[in-house]
Amino acid sequence: EVQLLESGGGLVQPGGSLRLSCAASGFTFSSYAMSWVRQAPGKGLEWVSGIGNDDSTYYGDSVKGRFTISRDDSKNTVYLQMNSLRAEDTALYYCAKGPAAGPNLPTYWGQGTPVTVSP
Amino acid sequence: EIVLTQSPGTLSLSPGERATLSCRASQSVSNNYLAWYQQKPGQAPRLLIYGASSRATGIPDRFSGSGSGTDFTLTISRLEPEDFAVYYCQQYGSSPRTFGPGTTVDIK
Repeated sequence: EVQLLESGGGLVQPGGSLRLSCAASGFTFSSYAMSWVRQAPGKGLEWVSGIGNDDSTYYGDSVKGRFTISRDDSKNTVYLQMNSLRAEDTALYYCAKGPAAGPNLPTYWGQGTPVTVSP
Repeated sequence: EIVLTQSPGTLSLSPGERATLSCRASQSVSNNYLAWYQQKPGQAPRLLIYGASSRATGIPDRFSGSGSGTDFTLTISRLEPEDFAVYYCQQYGSSPRTFGPGTTVDIK
């Protein structure tokens, strides 16, 4: 059974940093692309970042230059390093498993970790 | 960036009725890489359709997707009580990936 467990969310001041983690199990992690998608309170979905099984990375325009996605296949974990955080980054951050081949799209989602950016 | 527009914003229907949701892209979606997701309150989204018309694993056949280029449709042939939710389209043919604003299907 696929499981994705996000952690690392919390309250941070504007300008601060957080690192989110997503521990995966139930599939051959190294073979799959992964993504982060966020959802602000009461709002829709926003794609944040993706990483391929070849370590290629992609970012949404609103986070480019501030967020960095990475993966550690030995730990079956994907990370999202978030720097220079802003109030508008406040959201529930979902980790999602992508396909083994083809373009990255979220096929299975974790339950999310909340991030609040506030003084 | 490809902007996705979904209509209507809210669809009020009764169980057993047919639901037709629209997703329009600001430019052609590469290879028709268009997905649909369902999200219920307090839950993570669930993939329903990918590649515009392929059902994801375990998705009932009352859900179907169609369309190409810039115009896509999600159809729920007969609404079941568990289908009342918010539905999002997403294009994954170009970066950045983008989502539509969602359509809420609620009980009339």
